[in-house]
Amino acid sequence: DIQMTQSPSTLSASVGDRVTITCRASQSISSWLAWYQQKPGKAPKLLIYKASSLESGVPSRFSGSGSGTEFTLTISSLQPDDFATYYCQQYNSYRLTFGGGTKVEIK
Amino acid sequence: QITLKESGPTLVKPTQTLTLTCTFSGFSLSTSGVGVGWIRQPPGKALEWLALIYWDDDKRYSPSLKSRLTITKDTSKNQVVLTMTNMDPVDTATYYCAHRPAIAAGDAFDIWGQGTMVTVSS
Repeated sequence: DIQMTQSPSTLSASVGDRVTITCRASQSISSWLAWYQQKPGKAPKLLIYKASSLESGVPSRFSGSGSGTEFTLTISSLQPDDFATYYCQQYNSYRLTFGGGTKVEIK
Repeated sequence: QITLKESGPTLVKPTQTLTLTCTFSGFSLSTSGVGVGWIRQPPGKALEWLALIYWDDDKRYSPSLKSRLTITKDTSKNQVVLTMTNMDPVDTATYYCAHRPAIAAGDAFDIWGQGTMVTVSS
C-alpha cells in the first residue's frame, strides 16, 4: 500500500499567517492527491483535488501544489475559520489512503 | 443538491456483523463515473478508507479489511450498503459515506454524509 506521511502533525499559527502543510507519498502518485479540512464533530470537506485544483466554493487562500511524492497545502492568510485538522488522500491506486492529519491550532 | 446519510446500529457486540446503509439523493449511481465510498474514523484518530463502489458495480476494498467487508448498491432505492463481519472493539469509529463525482478528478470525495458513530462493546 502507498503510505501518506503528513508534517507537521500539529501547527500553531496566528490569524494572517501563511501556513504550509506537507504530504509525502511512499511512491509516486502522479497528481492523484486530495486535501480535506475537518472540524471537530463534522465530516471532512474537500478543498483540493488532483493536487492543485480548487474545489468549487473553497476560498482562494487555499492552494495545493506538487506531484510525484511530495505535495503541499498552503493557506496564504490564515483566517479564524481555518483552525481545523487537514488530511491528504492519495488515489493513484485503487487502494486509497489518507495521511495522519495536521491540526492547525491558534498560537 | 447532493446529500448522503448513514444509518445503522450505534452499538454492536464483538463478533457480530455490522450493516450500515447510505441513503443518498441528488445523484444517480447509474451515472457513468459516479461512486460511493465508505470511510471511518476512530475517536481522535485519522480517517481510514474502507470501500468504494462504482456506477458499473465495480468494487474496491481496503486490503487490510477486505476479508470482512462487502459493499453493494441498490440503484432503485438510492442506497449503498456496507457490511463488516466479526466486529471488534477496535472497529469503534464514526463511519462516513461519501460521493465520488463523475469527473476526471479521480477517487476524491466531494460530498460526505454526517457520519454515524458505531461502538463495539459487549
